[in-house]
Amino acid sequence: DTAVSQTPKYLVTQMGNDKSIKCEQNLGHDTMYWYKQDSKKFLKIMFSYNNKELIINETVPNRFSPKSPDKAHLNLHINSLELGDSAVYFCASSKLAGGPRETQYFGPGTRLLVL
Amino acid sequence: QKEVEQNSGPLSVPEGAIASLNCTYSDRGSQSFFWYRQYSGKSPELIMFIYSNGDKEDGRFTAQLNKASQYVSLLIRDSQPSDSATYLCAVIEGGAGSYQLTFGKGTKLSVIP
Repeated sequence: DTAVSQTPKYLVTQMGNDKSIKCEQNLGHDTMYWYKQDSKKFLKIMFSYNNKELIINETVPNRFSPKSPDKAHLNLHINSLELGDSAVYFCASSKLAGGPRETQYFGPGTRLLVL
Repeated sequence: QKEVEQNSGPLSVPEGAIASLNCTYSDRGSQSFFWYRQYSGKSPELIMFIYSNGDKEDGRFTAQLNKASQYVSLLIRDSQPSDSATYLCAVIEGGAGSYQLTFGKGTKLSVIP
């Protein structure tokens, strides 16, 4: 009965590789997000999608490209991985279009280590 | 640059005491305020939210909001070792269709048995 799930849970890869992280929510929510939590535990939003449409795109390198095939899924593809991309990536979702009172529910995180 | 500030801690309290966690925010237009708890190696989970000035109580947790001072706090009464975690303050910012959560860097709480 996982509400927000992510795969893989752990990802270890070499610099320069391309990798994808998948996220799925079964809550019937309209809005999904990607966050990055760095080694100092600072959690920062990267992207937000509402019903498959990009609505927030923070200052993130072009190597990061989100894709939403439907409103229950939001994937993150990363090209040409760099050492600084090592972090925990969290997917989250909320009910309405990121409304001011909507609670966000987080997935378990994907721990990415770039060697 | 909109900011959410928290004391990174660690904050150590003895079991049974009251833990007080504080947060200030820079955007006077911020509307909603959330406290998330994050255990080591786990994802953030919502503890409380508050929208109006004053206090909001839920079990052992009380959130306090003072919009004039741009200050929000979380009190944990009768602290338990299981409360040991990092507490993240988050503020909703933005406008219609593009609201987003801005997080503070978190306060690490340690409850000593």
